[in-house]
Amino acid sequence: AQRVTQPEKLLSVFKGAPVELKCNYSYSGSPELFWYVQYSRQRLQLLLRHISRESIKGFTADLNKGETSFHLKKPFAQEEDSAMYYCALLNAGGTSYGKLTFGQGTILTVHP
Amino acid sequence: EAGVAQSPRYKIIEKRQSVAFWCNPISGHATLYWYQQILGQGPKLLIQFQNNGVVDDSQLPKDRFSAERLKGVDSTLKIQPAKLEDSAVYLCASSPRASGRVSPPDSYEQYFGPGTRLTVT
Repeated sequence: AQRVTQPEKLLSVFKGAPVELKCNYSYSGSPELFWYVQYSRQRLQLLLRHISRESIKGFTADLNKGETSFHLKKPFAQEEDSAMYYCALLNAGGTSYGKLTFGQGTILTVHP
Repeated sequence: EAGVAQSPRYKIIEKRQSVAFWCNPISGHATLYWYQQILGQGPKLLIQFQNNGVVDDSQLPKDRFSAERLKGVDSTLKIQPAKLEDSAVYLCASSPRASGRVSPPDSYEQYFGPGTRLTVT
């Protein structure tokens, strides 16, 4: 069974400090992973996907298959980064392709 | 383009009552998902539709929950009778991709609605 673990429910940093949100996964196949973000009073939205190897709003995430991790990083946090962040794993097999398994989420607070 | 629409936004009912939620996905999206998000947890998939057919309902409590997607567009999720533990946010999402087809990565991005917050007292 696939599983996503985000060990930190809360993470607080000061503006300008580096931030890393941890995500570990369990999946028997080749994983496809995503980070979703939910800002206050907004809907859940995609932040980035590992397959695109992109940097969005200064965030990057590298898939480490050896450690089964997909940590989200940003070198200099901004106050507007404060939000709930979810790591998600895509079911890439069978008829339920497209199903996402979400972690429990990490609330990031960036203090001024 | 217009986003995923859901209604109502909030609902308070007593246990053993019934409730229904409605979702209108982004036009042209083949796949529709219903998630349950209990406070402090990540969204959990309840049911996945491709067009008007169910492709995954393994985590749907079928003794009390039901869902349909008539004509492959709008969808409704019903709970009857509700229990206290059903209190949660119910999220609807849609994506362009149809299962089983080769598609570009963008096509399985899921677009979420604002959710319906259900409180069962």
